[in-house]
Amino acid sequence: DAGVIQSPRHEVTEMGQEVTLRCKPISGHDYLFWYRQTMMRGLELLIYFNNNVPIDDSGMPEDRFSAKMPNASFSTLKIQPSEPRDSAVYFCASSPIYIHEAFFGQGTRLTVV
Amino acid sequence: GENVEQHPSTLSVQEGDSAVIKCTYSDSASNYFPWYKQELGKGPQLIIDIRSNVGEKKDQRIAVTLNKTAKHFSLHITETQPEDSAVYFCAASRSNYKLTFGKGTLLTVNP
Repeated sequence: DAGVIQSPRHEVTEMGQEVTLRCKPISGHDYLFWYRQTMMRGLELLIYFNNNVPIDDSGMPEDRFSAKMPNASFSTLKIQPSEPRDSAVYFCASSPIYIHEAFFGQGTRLTVV
Repeated sequence: GENVEQHPSTLSVQEGDSAVIKCTYSDSASNYFPWYKQELGKGPQLIIDIRSNVGEKKDQRIAVTLNKTAKHFSLHITETQPEDSAVYFCAASRSNYKLTFGKGTLLTVNP
C-alpha cells in the first residue's frame, strides 16, 4: 500500500479564496483524521470520521472549515474563505479498527497571503 | 478535555548517550499512550506505545514507562544515533481513537 496520500503537498493562496485539501486513506482503514500543525499550537485534531461518518468535529476552529468523506477512499477539508492565520501544515491520518496507530500522510503545507 | 504537557521542548545529546522525554496528562480515563517521531518534511510515525495495564515496554533501544498514579509517562532512547534526530511527540487517548498530542521535543544527536 502507498500509505495515506495527500494533495496538494504545497498550497499558496490569497486571503479570501477557497482552499480544498484532499486525502486518500489506506485501504481498509475505518478511521480518518484531519490534524493541523503549527509552531504555536502543535498538532491539533480538527475532525475524525468512522466509516465515512463524522464522529467528532469539536476541533474545527470555525464555520469557515468543513470536512467531508463521501466514500471510504476519499476525504476533503475545505476552508472558505481562507485567512492568513489558517497557514499551517494539515495532516490526514487513518487507522484500522481495533488498532490505535494513526498512519499519517506527508501533509499539505498551506500558506495564505 | 485531555491536556498533555511535554518536556523538554529541545534536547541535545552526544551520540551514544541516552535521551529522556517526559509527558504528563490530565484525564485519568486515558488508557493509551503512543509516541510518534516526525522527521523533517514528513508526517509523524508511531515508534512505540503503551497501554494503561502495563508499566513499561521496550523495543530495542527505545523504552516507555508509565506511572498512572502520577499521570506521567516517559520515552527513553539509549545509545542514541544521529538518525534519531527528529521531533518526538507523546500523546494520550481514551479508547475512542481521539489522540491529544504534546507540543513536541526536538531531539538533536551530535556525532
